[in-house]
Amino acid sequence: QKEVEQNSGPLSVPEGAIASLNCTYSDRGSQSFFWYRQYSGKSPELIMSIYSNGDKEDGRFTAQLNKASQYVSLLIRDSQPSDSATYLCAVILGGTSYGKLTFGQGTILTVHP
Amino acid sequence: KAGVTQTPRYLIKTRGQQVTLSCSPISGHRSVSWYQQTPGQGLQFLFEYFSETQRNKGNFPGRFSGRQFSNSRSEMNVSTLELGDSALYLCASSPDRSHEQYFGPGTRLTVT
Repeated sequence: QKEVEQNSGPLSVPEGAIASLNCTYSDRGSQSFFWYRQYSGKSPELIMSIYSNGDKEDGRFTAQLNKASQYVSLLIRDSQPSDSATYLCAVILGGTSYGKLTFGQGTILTVHP
Repeated sequence: KAGVTQTPRYLIKTRGQQVTLSCSPISGHRSVSWYQQTPGQGLQFLFEYFSETQRNKGNFPGRFSGRQFSNSRSEMNVSTLELGDSALYLCASSPDRSHEQYFGPGTRLTVT
């Protein structure tokens, strides 16, 4: 089992729809979770961090964390063509793991007009 | 605030050579992490430095090394380059007492 797994893509949604991206992790002791967006040919950009169970909203983005199920998700409301990118789930596994993000393989999202 | 900067942005080297990559973190950030990104393996952690000390290391051979200077700038070195070292090398900096990491633009290394 991979330490961080994302739902297989690619994911294609129409403009204006909700895109749902999912991620599971293996280490029950993990405390810090992040979503990054990476456009083709660019570096990852941090879009959300979440540390507590529940939902965290930032504009059109909502991150959801369920530590009991070892599951974190990202919802993008009112998806726009500019949201088309690879979305990377990243986790700090275990209690303290200085500076080490463990990434999922990424989900390619395409938003079509 | 200026973002993370990396130099050079592109590099072509020959198998067997060595290479040094540089990273300047966001001002005030003392933690610098390095990652390798390839299409097959994705993003993999190399090492992390804080206040000139390596605090964490990934599963890479000893040919990969790094260091951090007193101004928090960091370098990574790869000796005896192999074809499989061709990748995008990313550094990220993090503020104290935060796990959030902010990435630089990366250095694209091609080994021929």
